Amino acid sequence: SQQGEEDPQALSIQEGENATMNCSYKTSINNLQWYRQNSGRGLVHLILIRSNEREKHSGRLRVTLDTSKKSSSLLITASRAADTASYFCASLYGGATNKLIFGTGTLLAVQP
Amino acid sequence: DAGVIQSPRHEVTEMGQEVTLRCKPISGHNSLFWYRQTMMRGLELLIYFNNNVPIDDSGMPEDRFSAKMPNASFSTLKIQPSEPRDSAVYFCASTETGYGYTFGSGTRLTVV
Repeated sequence: SQQGEEDPQALSIQEGENATMNCSYKTSINNLQWYRQNSGRGLVHLILIRSNEREKHSGRLRVTLDTSKKSSSLLITASRAADTASYFCASLYGGATNKLIFGTGTLLAVQP
Repeated sequence: DAGVIQSPRHEVTEMGQEVTLRCKPISGHNSLFWYRQTMMRGLELLIYFNNNVPIDDSGMPEDRFSAKMPNASFSTLKIQPSEPRDSAVYFCASTETGYGYTFGSGTRLTVV
């Protein structure tokens, strides 16, 4: 399976703390994306980082990419109870196909 | 734009029945994807289309599954005959090449 792995599987923090989630993938990618999924809802795209980028910011989100280690991290700063959701990384593989493969996800619970 | 629209939101059917899931992608997006989400297997890519043409259907689990995209604004995923192990949430997503995906709200399928 090309599916990536995410770590940790579950994370519980207090409001105001930072949350860090890690993702590993298996083969060369065009870009890596992070998505959020609230319980019972569809996935929402958060941020995209290209293979030639190392760091990207969007509001309270910071994403890093290390292609030598085939890994990425998502940092959410100053977390809020509303950030409670599952977070998925997804790798876009190039070559003959152009498909987005999702990791196993991290369930984040932010306690008020 | 109303986003990616999927119907129905929920479907309960008896084993052996035919099930058809529908998707309207965002206007102007050139790629459409069908995913399946279960607790056991996570998010699996079933098939995707570029410019209405099926590109990769390697994720379609069995011949019982088929997908069509007759035009740029409509796609269907059909399961015939359905089995209890097909129970899952099925998501449709669309995108323009190089951008993040927009997901629909999903169809929760229960086969009894």
